[in-house]
Amino acid sequence: GQSLEQPSEVTAVEGAIVQINCTYQTSGFYGLSWYQQHDGGAPTFLSYNALDGLEETGRFSSFLSRSDSYGYLLLQELQMKDSASYFCAQDSNYQLIWGAGTKLIIKP
Amino acid sequence: DAGVTQSPTHLIKTRGQQVTLRCSPKSGHDTVSWYQQALGQGPQFIFQYYEEEERQRGNFPDRFSGHQFPNYSSELNVNALLLGDSALYLCASSLGGRGGTEAFFGQGTRLTVV
Repeated sequence: GQSLEQPSEVTAVEGAIVQINCTYQTSGFYGLSWYQQHDGGAPTFLSYNALDGLEETGRFSSFLSRSDSYGYLLLQELQMKDSASYFCAQDSNYQLIWGAGTKLIIKP
Repeated sequence: DAGVTQSPTHLIKTRGQQVTLRCSPKSGHDTVSWYQQALGQGPQFIFQYYEEEERQRGNFPDRFSGHQFPNYSSELNVNALLLGDSALYLCASSLGGRGGTEAFFGQGTRLTVV
């Protein structure tokens, strides 16, 4: 079974900011990745954190705290096209171990 | 610069049959990983190929096998198909045997077993 925990669904308003949290297992941890997946599509890489702190890429930022086994993805200035599922995935060297995904619903 | 390409995009098979899925990694990548994604779930790691060898395997039965060719492309074979094998099969490419850093995914093959 999957050992990363993230909320199953988050709802936000267009133009707002939303944070998607993720807790992970500590064994074999190299880093935390975030992926976006639209219905019927492939996962698209968003960001990767190997060290504590914040990584910013445009409207998306990702944070990692290794001491808390915790990370989050922050999406700013939400647009309708951001409606998708977001996955955190633990980099365990050879493989990615995935959470079950968070469905982001954006309302106008 | 072509990204990760997978073929076919969709496939319907009957229980008990065998299937072969194909993947060409992103240009410059030498590592291919295969994942199975059931509807509404996160992808599950099947195995990784690097230097034409299976380096690590997830919790999948021996009915799932693979191969990597000298040009780094890869095949996933599934024998004796079960209804539960119906899923999206994703190929991810990366570099240097590392499967977790900036892995790029193909569009997947949607396999339906009837």
